Amino acid sequence: QVQLQESGPGLVKPSEALSLTCTVSGDSVSRGSYFWTWIRQPAGKRLEWIGHIYTSGGTNYNPSLKSRVTMSLDTSKNQFSLKLTSVTAADTAVYFCARDTYSSIDYWGRGTLVTVSS
Amino acid sequence: EIVLTQSPGTLSLSPGERATLSCRASQTVSSDYLAWFQHKPGQAPRLLIYGTSTRATGIPARFSGSGSGTDFTLTISSLEPEDFGMYYCQQSGSSPQTFGQGTKVETK
Repeated sequence: QVQLQESGPGLVKPSEALSLTCTVSGDSVSRGSYFWTWIRQPAGKRLEWIGHIYTSGGTNYNPSLKSRVTMSLDTSKNQFSLKLTSVTAADTAVYFCARDTYSSIDYWGRGTLVTVSS
Repeated sequence: EIVLTQSPGTLSLSPGERATLSCRASQTVSSDYLAWFQHKPGQAPRLLIYGTSTRATGIPARFSGSGSGTDFTLTISSLEPEDFGMYYCQQSGSSPQTFGQGTKVETK
């Protein structure tokens, strides 16, 4: 059974960087043809796809966030990470990590709330 | 980007009743890349349907998906108590992937 778990600070100051890690169990982030994905949901709003990183390390980001997003893989820890710079209150959201098989997002984490506030 | 609009916003039904959820796209969506998810508070979202009509592993037969082009439907033939929650459609055929705003299925 594949499981994903998000971790990181729950509170980030405006203008600083948000950094989250997703730990994967039951699968390897460096094996297979998967897109390791980040998605977020601000309170009361729809889910927003942030982007993904392929098992080879290639990335694809949402154009609306592209200038502020970096994703990376840590194969030694079986993790992948998200960094979002220059955050504002609009970046306050529940952040989910997930596995995308290209035909579907088949496994998700439970999500972690990140609040941007001074 | 493709905007997905779900209706109704809320569906109030009793166990045993049939639920019909709609997802309408602003542009044509490839049937291979339309999915439905169920989400309950504090839980990981759960994939129900992908490729418009293929049930994910372990999903009961009471869940079915249909549609093409810009109009897609998720049907729950007979609601079980565990089926109440939020439902989202998602398209991944056009980048960026996008989601509908959700339909809440609540107990009447």
